[in-house]
Amino acid sequence: GQNIDQPTEMTATEGAIVQINCTYQTSGFNGLFWYQQHAGEAPTFLSYNVLDGLEEKGRFSSFLSRSKGYSYLLLKELQMKDSASYLCAVMDSNYQLIWGAGTKLIIKP
Amino acid sequence: GAVVSQHPSWVICKSGTSVKIECRSLDFQATTMFWYRQFPKQSLMLMATSNEGSKATYEQGVEKDKFLINHASLTLSTLTVTSAHPEDSSFYICSARDEDREGTGELFFGEGSRLTVL
Repeated sequence: GQNIDQPTEMTATEGAIVQINCTYQTSGFNGLFWYQQHAGEAPTFLSYNVLDGLEEKGRFSSFLSRSKGYSYLLLKELQMKDSASYLCAVMDSNYQLIWGAGTKLIIKP
Repeated sequence: GAVVSQHPSWVICKSGTSVKIECRSLDFQATTMFWYRQFPKQSLMLMATSNEGSKATYEQGVEKDKFLINHASLTLSTLTVTSAHPEDSSFYICSARDEDREGTGELFFGEGSRLTVL
């Protein structure tokens, strides 16, 4: 079966760095996405990785290793507004998105 | 970026009534749109894939006669929850892919519609 695993919840301190991991097992691979979702709102796009390596975009970076079925989202200089759920999703060989359950990130002052 | 608009944002209805939710791509055409449901503290669950000009493809366990999907144009898809019951109360979200930017695979989401059935 297809499976996306990410931690349920993480806590970090304002100004610090946090890494949210995602491992996947899917039938085929056409890219991995990270989305941010604040409570009661729709998800917003953060990043897309299809090749191995690190993609940096401001305070957020996303890493992919296809051979390991592994990705992480790195958030630097954490701000209180970063408190949200972070969803990992993989596009399979049929171009369907398989969603992880999301990681709730709690930022403390 | 591309914009997807969803309406209404909030709806409260009585049990047994039907509710229609609209999803529009404002500045791009989308032959395919996706409808999700999200219960509190859970991830998105794909309900169906809406295809312009043809029947929607429903995920296993989703009743197609209860959740009617119409995708009559390249910019509009509607989801109608028929004979709604309290257990249908949820956050319904649509998304679409910009066909002209299909290489990125990025999905653009509507704002979501929170349905409460009394």
